[in-house]
Amino acid sequence: DIQMTQSPSSVSASVGDRVTITCRASQGISSWLAWYQQKPGKAPKLLIYTASSLQSGVPSRFSGSGSGTDFTLTISSLQPEDFATYFCQQSNSFPYTFGQGTKLDIK
Amino acid sequence: QITLRESGPTLVKPTQTLTLTCTFSGFSLSTSGLGVGWIRQPPGKALEWLALIYWDDDKRYSPSLRNRLTITKDTSKNQVVLTMTNMDPVDTATYHCVHRQTNNWFDPWGQGTLVTVSS
Repeated sequence: DIQMTQSPSSVSASVGDRVTITCRASQGISSWLAWYQQKPGKAPKLLIYTASSLQSGVPSRFSGSGSGTDFTLTISSLQPEDFATYFCQQSNSFPYTFGQGTKLDIK
Repeated sequence: QITLRESGPTLVKPTQTLTLTCTFSGFSLSTSGLGVGWIRQPPGKALEWLALIYWDDDKRYSPSLRNRLTITKDTSKNQVVLTMTNMDPVDTATYHCVHRQTNNWFDPWGQGTLVTVSS
């Protein structure tokens, strides 16, 4: 199985800050990576797919980059509604696997 | 608008079989390229992909759970059913069904159903 490792596991930030979350795959996955946002008690929501493509309806302050084994999710200017947990997921090969999550909370 | 809703028991006993139904709307599972999957999340833990069924009835399973899982579809009813045998307390989790887009990604997700395994 491909292991997905996210860092940090948690981060505190303020409204307006720029935040970067990283995800590393245990082997190359080309650009087969997605990022999801999950708020408490809610289902995850797709933000970024194929490493850097913005899902329809997602604000442009979210961006993704990377290929191979190293990927990043960047939020350019945090808004109050962005405080949530973020997961990466690879779909390069079965079984699909997720990172352990990064909890973003208010400083 | 695509929606998915999970239904099934909220409590099962160890060794029992869990049967979950995903009822969806806004798409047909006979459309080429589409699929429906199941993903679970134990309380406070990471997401775990379980199974996926495609429009052409091709199926994929998590290797670690392969011998316990069965996924089927009823296209006429817009439903996908997941069965998991020999349930254990470690299987306590929120189970989500998800729409697999033609571009291979999962969106949207169902709200999820919390299944507790306890005697």
